[in-house]
Amino acid sequence: SQTIHQWPATLVQPVGSPLSLECTVEGTSNPNLYWYRQAAGRGLQLLFYSVGIGQISSEVPQNLSASRPQDRQFILSSKKLLLSDSGFYLCAWETGTGGYNEQFFGPGTRLTVL
Amino acid sequence: GNSVTQMEGPVTLSEEAFLTINCTYTATGYPSLFWYVQYPGEGLQLLLKATKADDKGSNKGFEATYRKETTSFHLEKGSVQVSDSAVYFCALSQNSGGSNYKLTFGKGTLLTVNP
Repeated sequence: SQTIHQWPATLVQPVGSPLSLECTVEGTSNPNLYWYRQAAGRGLQLLFYSVGIGQISSEVPQNLSASRPQDRQFILSSKKLLLSDSGFYLCAWETGTGGYNEQFFGPGTRLTVL
Repeated sequence: GNSVTQMEGPVTLSEEAFLTINCTYTATGYPSLFWYVQYPGEGLQLLLKATKADDKGSNKGFEATYRKETTSFHLEKGSVQVSDSAVYFCALSQNSGGSNYKLTFGKGTLLTVNP
């Protein structure tokens, strides 16, 4: 069966510090991968998605970047965090085999920038 | 572009009450529709889905019917339990090119069920 992992689960970082959040998927090959941010009272915002290794699409201009160094690994990064980067970050995957596909979400990382 | 509008929360009900959370959407073509649930401190889980007009998705006593004429996908449950307390998200999925399907979410509705 497929599983999706995210770490760390929680993170408190000072403004201006770097960030690296990791997401890995097991039990599937060549998934489409997604990063979402959930800010208080604002629902879910799609940040990045990837349909393959090294292929990243950005949905909104921002202080963050994403990379996909391996088929089942998706990394969210920042060189200098802003207060507005605080939120709950969710990684998701789907099979990418055509037709509508359900997205499966990881447990999330709660980031607080102070 | 695509959008999803769901009723603002929070919604507070007593156990065994009837639940309705309204959801309407705007999209070109024929999207698939979903309800996701987020329990406290956790990620999102798919609750139910419908892929074409007049389909009814159901799971754990929850139901929603894909209404193309009213562009709606309202979530209902006849008798809620304390364990249903969570945030509920309505979402639509539409092909954005190739094999990629993007989900567009509503803002979420917080449901609290009291004993």
